[in-house]
Amino acid sequence: SYVLTQIPSVSVVPGQTARITCGGNNIGSRSVHWYQQKPGQAPVLVVYEDKGRPSGIPERFSGSNSGNTATLTISRVEAGDEADYCCQVWDSSGDHFFGTGTKVTVL
Amino acid sequence: EVQLVESGGGVVRPGGSLRLSCAASGFTFDDYGMSWVRQVPGKGLEWVSGIDWNGDITTYADSVKGRFTVSRDNAKNSLSLQMDSLRAEDTALYHCARGRYGDQRFFDLWGRGTLVTVSS
Repeated sequence: SYVLTQIPSVSVVPGQTARITCGGNNIGSRSVHWYQQKPGQAPVLVVYEDKGRPSGIPERFSGSNSGNTATLTISRVEAGDEADYCCQVWDSSGDHFFGTGTKVTVL
Repeated sequence: EVQLVESGGGVVRPGGSLRLSCAASGFTFDDYGMSWVRQVPGKGLEWVSGIDWNGDITTYADSVKGRFTVSRDNAKNSLSLQMDSLRAEDTALYHCARGRYGDQRFFDLWGRGTLVTVSS
């Protein structure tokens, strides 16, 4: 098993930057992926392989990963970014591990 | 439209069975491995099971191994999850998800999910 720890909630003012962290033992040696989930909707991939951005995801979403912490950064936060954000890593055994999730509230 | 739509959820008693389905559209289904991921309301995501593009390789989380069976029908663009010997802790919203790369290292398309409630 591999535990990924996230802060339960983050609050941010529109236009400012939100940083969502995902902690794991030597997570910097793994690829980290991030998902956005709004109530009643399907999760959406917003960052893959630490810093890749899928087609259609704004440049305001970026990722980094080093040491024991991976970070999803949302720049110039908008009201529509309010959602739960979850990190994920894949293990060579075929298992997938998800973080506990962070709720981003836009004030 | 590229989408995944789950169905088959419902209320079932402990020890009972349920079969979930996922209909894929808008993309070449047999180009991708697929997975089921569940979410307990108000809690995090948990990967449940995966299947490769042609059904030859299936994988399961330890929590469901021996009770759940994943399968696919590429002719019908459909993914299924047969759930037997259900327990209260299997209660969750079940999403199907499209995996990227042969070993499905991450998921680039998800469905909204179908709710399974195990209760007496």
